[in-house]
Amino acid sequence: GDSVTQMEGPVTLSEEAFLTINCTYTATGYPSLFWYVQYPGEGLQLLLKATKADDKGSNKGFEATYRKETTSFHLEKGSVQVSDSAVYFCALTSQGGSEKLVFGKGTKLTVNP
Amino acid sequence: GAVVSQHPSWVICKSGTSVKIECRSLDFQATTMFWYRQFPKQSLMLMATSNEGSKATYEQGVEKDKFLINHASLTLSTLTVTSAHPEDSSFYICSARRAAPSYNSPLHFGNGTRLTVT
Repeated sequence: GDSVTQMEGPVTLSEEAFLTINCTYTATGYPSLFWYVQYPGEGLQLLLKATKADDKGSNKGFEATYRKETTSFHLEKGSVQVSDSAVYFCALTSQGGSEKLVFGKGTKLTVNP
Repeated sequence: GAVVSQHPSWVICKSGTSVKIECRSLDFQATTMFWYRQFPKQSLMLMATSNEGSKATYEQGVEKDKFLINHASLTLSTLTVTSAHPEDSSFYICSARRAAPSYNSPLHFGNGTRLTVT
């Protein structure tokens, strides 16, 4: 079945550091790919998405590119802030527009001042 | 923005009792709601899809009689954990999709409910 593998956390960075959270997937066909973020005490929020190969999703300085050749959707940000501290989830929905989201385990990011 | 309220945020109950968790869409109508379960350091696992006015669709391996789902209105879905046991202790999260436009609408998540069964 479909699955998502993302790097284990926790990740601790200093403010203004570069962030990469790796995410790879296994799926048949062409899934849609997502990054969700969960800030402390809040529900999951969609951060960005990409629906086809080579698409780049971006939001709040974060970006991720849909790489079909490497089945990856790595999350990057050039300069993190303390307010980016959260848990980040990579996810996919199967080709055909299934409503079912398959999530990775989540990566906790802590950014220190 | 769209808000999904989940209640309670945490609950402790004794083994053998039942616990009800509510998921409400506060400012939109949701024909479809989803219930997830998350174990520590694990992924969110979809338990069931709840459709307003019809029976829920359960994922393989999820006990229908143990996890009762009711979606009585376009703004409320409930998950009842019946005869809870310690192994049911987990983090339960709901999400909802707007009624229209539905298919490509984003999912809105509740804050989750931490259930501890003693």
